[in-house]
Amino acid sequence: GAVVSQHPSRVICKSGTSVKIECRSLDFQATTMFWYRQFPKKSLMLMATSNEGSKATYEQGVEKDKFLINHASLTLSTLTVTSAHPEDSSFYICSASNPQRGGETQYFGPGTRLLVL
Amino acid sequence: RKEVEQDPGPFNVPEGATVAFNCTYSNSASQSFFWYRQDCRKEPKLLMSVYSSGNEDGRFTAQLNRASQYISLLIRDSKLSDSATYLCVVNDDYKLSFGAGTTVTVRA
Repeated sequence: GAVVSQHPSRVICKSGTSVKIECRSLDFQATTMFWYRQFPKKSLMLMATSNEGSKATYEQGVEKDKFLINHASLTLSTLTVTSAHPEDSSFYICSASNPQRGGETQYFGPGTRLLVL
Repeated sequence: RKEVEQDPGPFNVPEGATVAFNCTYSNSASQSFFWYRQDCRKEPKLLMSVYSSGNEDGRFTAQLNRASQYISLLIRDSKLSDSATYLCVVNDDYKLSFGAGTTVTVRA
């Protein structure tokens, strides 16, 4: 099956710093990637949809200036949490889809646990 | 109203038992449906798609009721390894909406 990687798997940072999370599709070209956030015992919430070569589409309530998304190539999307605060501590998961493979299926990365102190 | 709602459980069942649970969704125009499995502190993994006619994959059976806007998952002959959180997922124009999950614990 398709493989999606994320890096780092976990990060601890001080309040006010910025954190970059990478999402890579390893064996197919992902025209669309998605970024989700999951708080403990809660559902995954879509933050934004990232399309290669264009601006990301953010969900309502997600600040685009705080969560910067770059999808510069067909295999890499990055999410940067700028000026992170403790309330940004969460499990961030990316997924990738490729319409040429039947774009309904999303392949999830292993997630990144962010803890902001 | 949440787009996808699930009974959070937990469902505690002995090995070999059958367990079933439902999920309701709010958008009648939703196009496709899935069950994902999520283990503790891991990413979701696709368990199975849900088709209109209902479908089976080994010990797992999924049903879709469009009229009542719910889907169900039934697990037969539960194994210890089935212990996980099962996420109901609805696809609308390639955007997935997730339920908060139903936790199943299978005990020896």
